[in-house]
Amino acid sequence: GAGVSQSPSNKVTEKGKDVELRCDPISGHTALYWYRQRLGQGLEFLIYFQGNSAPDKSGLPSDRFSAERTGESVSTLTIQRTQQEDSAVYLCASSRGLVNTGELFFGEGSRLTVL
Amino acid sequence: DAKTTQPNSMESNEEEPVHLPCNHSTISGTDYIHWYRQLPSQGPEYVIHGLTSNVNNRMASLAIAEDRKSSTLILHRATLRDAAVYYCILRDVGGAGSYQLTFGKGTKLSVIP
Repeated sequence: GAGVSQSPSNKVTEKGKDVELRCDPISGHTALYWYRQRLGQGLEFLIYFQGNSAPDKSGLPSDRFSAERTGESVSTLTIQRTQQEDSAVYLCASSRGLVNTGELFFGEGSRLTVL
Repeated sequence: DAKTTQPNSMESNEEEPVHLPCNHSTISGTDYIHWYRQLPSQGPEYVIHGLTSNVNNRMASLAIAEDRKSSTLILHRATLRDAAVYYCILRDVGGAGSYQLTFGKGTKLSVIP
């Protein structure tokens, strides 16, 4: 597709389970970002990839959160031992590269509900 | 990090112009001003960005104050589809040279038919 694709669109899980969220960026975009948006709140930056490397992991809220990217393409955000406070929409965005004025293209997000 | 201040909410009548203000008094000389908007149940979408000069594109215009401490996003003719949360953001370069956008709470724009 032409845009950023995220899956699943909705995920309901039980507290303590692990979840994986996937992001397919726009083809050729070397930069990829993950954000989190809790209900009624603004976007919270989680992590950024340039190629397959993550030079800035400062936004990951705890060591239960990890992310990887392979082939300068697909990225997976993994949350281990989910907690209720992890419930949020997780948004992925991509851009052409380390272009400071560049536009970010966002996916529609993965809504995570932890019961 | 340079921060922005926006009103929590604004209302506009359909087909009227809308001026969305943003204050960024601590902006640095190399910070770009970006605007994104988020329609209900969607991810944010890019609207416009600028550095010093006013900018126009098919979606909106961006007016930047001469001292760059404030800016205004202008929608020339509001439509119902323009109802969204509008974010004014300054480019934020992390210590590793990364590029991320730091989103605040934005302005929720309501458009009245």
